Amino acid sequence: NAGVTQTPKFRVLKTGQSMTLLCAQDMNHEYMYWYRQDPGMGLRLIHYSVGEGTTAKGEVPDGYNVSRLKKQNFLLGLESAAPSQTSVYFCASMTVNRDNEQFFGPGTRLTVL
Amino acid sequence: LAKTTQPISMDSYEGQEVNITCSHNNIATNDYITWYQQFPSQGPRFIIQGYKTKVTNEVASLFIPADRKSSTLSLPRVSLSDTAVYYCLVGENRDDKIIFGKGTRLHILP
Repeated sequence: NAGVTQTPKFRVLKTGQSMTLLCAQDMNHEYMYWYRQDPGMGLRLIHYSVGEGTTAKGEVPDGYNVSRLKKQNFLLGLESAAPSQTSVYFCASMTVNRDNEQFFGPGTRLTVL
Repeated sequence: LAKTTQPISMDSYEGQEVNITCSHNNIATNDYITWYQQFPSQGPRFIIQGYKTKVTNEVASLFIPADRKSSTLSLPRVSLSDTAVYYCLVGENRDDKIIFGKGTRLHILP
């Protein structure tokens, strides 16, 4: 099993550009999450999903949109990137059947110039 | 969601036992206490979860007093590779929305 994978690993954008980050998991998990982590800071929840076709806002949802069209995929979109969105983005998934154990991807390092 | 407070940073030496305490004064009856570990340039990794008393696994022990207003993560005989950020989280089991704080930056010295 690959676990949780994220695409791409690195990306540089110019202000105003758009992009989509892809998260995929092969563990048949129900819940999926997108976090951002700024240097020296903890993780902040952007959006999450409790199942296919459903999404919800987290702590810092502004400037981002998400979609969960398939159970195994969770997409994070930036419609018009801003320098404040420079960060490392982590995706995670979790099953409802076992504790609060989230499985994290390797992260995407995004720089917005 | 219960708020947690933990030290910003800690230093220790190889071979020592390290205890990181987390305060969660407004923990609710249905809340569990969960700890994660994050190495540099990696996503967090689940370490341990408990509800009351003591839980132990191959990585750590978690001590929870009767009032559950705090908890202590204990790492036995740490090594340099235990240098990481440790997060304490409080929430209902299988909660759909888990909030991470800033964590405790643990630095192990030789």
